[in-house]
Amino acid sequence: KAGVTQTPRYLIKTRGQQVTLSCSPISGHRSVSWYQQTPGQGLQFLFEYFSETQRNKGNFPGRFSGRQFSNSRSEMNVSTLELGDSALYLCASSRWPGQGNNEQFFGPGTRLTVL
Amino acid sequence: QKEVEQNSGPLSVPEGAIASLNCTYSDRGSQSFFWYRQYSGKSPELIMFIYSNGDKEDGRFTAQLNKASQYVSLLIRDSQPSDSATYLCAVLLLSGNTPLVFGKGTRLSVIA
Repeated sequence: KAGVTQTPRYLIKTRGQQVTLSCSPISGHRSVSWYQQTPGQGLQFLFEYFSETQRNKGNFPGRFSGRQFSNSRSEMNVSTLELGDSALYLCASSRWPGQGNNEQFFGPGTRLTVL
Repeated sequence: QKEVEQNSGPLSVPEGAIASLNCTYSDRGSQSFFWYRQYSGKSPELIMFIYSNGDKEDGRFTAQLNKASQYVSLLIRDSQPSDSATYLCAVLLLSGNTPLVFGKGTRLSVIA
């Protein structure tokens, strides 16, 4: 069974640009969560989608947005990039959101560098 | 504020020893607890989860949960240099309508 895939794996942008990251969950998984990971802050939750609906949103500015398609694939967008947006962006998929034994599996991540 | 606390380490143990990684959480409504391993430059990899008080074993790994003390731990028996990584604890609340809350991780170094 194929794992979670994320594209692109690496991205270099300049301040003020926007970026779109893509995530394809494990087949049969309908919940997708996005995280930002930086050395200082650890894993920070961005948002979670299930059945094309955003269930939860973390404490990030409105420049960060996302969506989920009918095939469960998800995208996140960051507009007006800032230097502080440089991070590893991780996508995780699970069958259902919020279940006690619901295991969440991570993709390889997209390493974003903002110059 | 729902928090998950881990000692950042590094925790150094000799090869073959038992490594003990600890995690405390603030919300008594927490229902499930997950341990992830993350190698440098890689994404987190799920090791195991636990949601009942007591021990749960999977190979060389044992998760221990004490809800009364709001404490969960991961024991790694016969530690190997390949176990050297950062170990992340994650907690899911009972309400089910909130995301996993992650600790910042403990860096483990197994010395050959």
